[in-house]
Amino acid sequence: NAGVTQTPKFQVLKTGQSMTLQCAQDMNHNSMYWYRQDPGMGLRLIYYSASEGTTDKGEVPNGYNVSRLNKREFSLRLESAAPSQTSVYFCASKRDISGNTIYFGEGSWLTVV
Amino acid sequence: AQSVTQPDIHITVSEGASLELRCNYSYGATPYLFWYVQSPGQGLQLLLKYFSGDTLVQGIKGFEAEFKRSQSSFNLRKPSVHWSDAAEYFCAVGLIRANAGGTSYGKLTFGQGTILTVHP
Repeated sequence: NAGVTQTPKFQVLKTGQSMTLQCAQDMNHNSMYWYRQDPGMGLRLIYYSASEGTTDKGEVPNGYNVSRLNKREFSLRLESAAPSQTSVYFCASKRDISGNTIYFGEGSWLTVV
Repeated sequence: AQSVTQPDIHITVSEGASLELRCNYSYGATPYLFWYVQSPGQGLQLLLKYFSGDTLVQGIKGFEAEFKRSQSSFNLRKPSVHWSDAAEYFCAVGLIRANAGGTSYGKLTFGQGTILTVHP
């Protein structure tokens, strides 16, 4: 049982380049999330998907797009990377039963130069 | 809107000393409360959670937390800190909703984190 798996773990991009962060969970969870973590800011929600086929904006969606490819996979795309998007990105998932816990991937360290 | 405040950005303790990390929340009802730990270069790990029932919650690695409704707090404690406890700690509050299809889902709001340094 791998839990939440996200790739790549490390990536360096040039300003203006595009890339996609991949995330998959094998726990049959309905809800999936993308967070970014910046020093002193804690975790901030970028986008989330309550269930397969739906996506919604979080606190800081600008500059990002997401795709809920199927129940297992939820990808985050940076169309034109900017230095302000240098951050650590966490994918997470959660079951749809009241009182459940959210499970996180190990994080993706992204640097935009 | 729900919010979480961790008043202490950085705490330093000596190994073997007791520890308390503060967390205050703002929420319209009894929330679901969590503490996560993140060690350097690693992902987030759940320490403990509170949904209902006994307000004193035991977690992994010898941590515990107490939910105090009157103070809107969920402070994390450990009687004796080990050097390996040095990490960043996040308090979080959960929101549970039901969509039109009857499926409930939730999202967490995190505090800003408290960095714990342990001196030998």
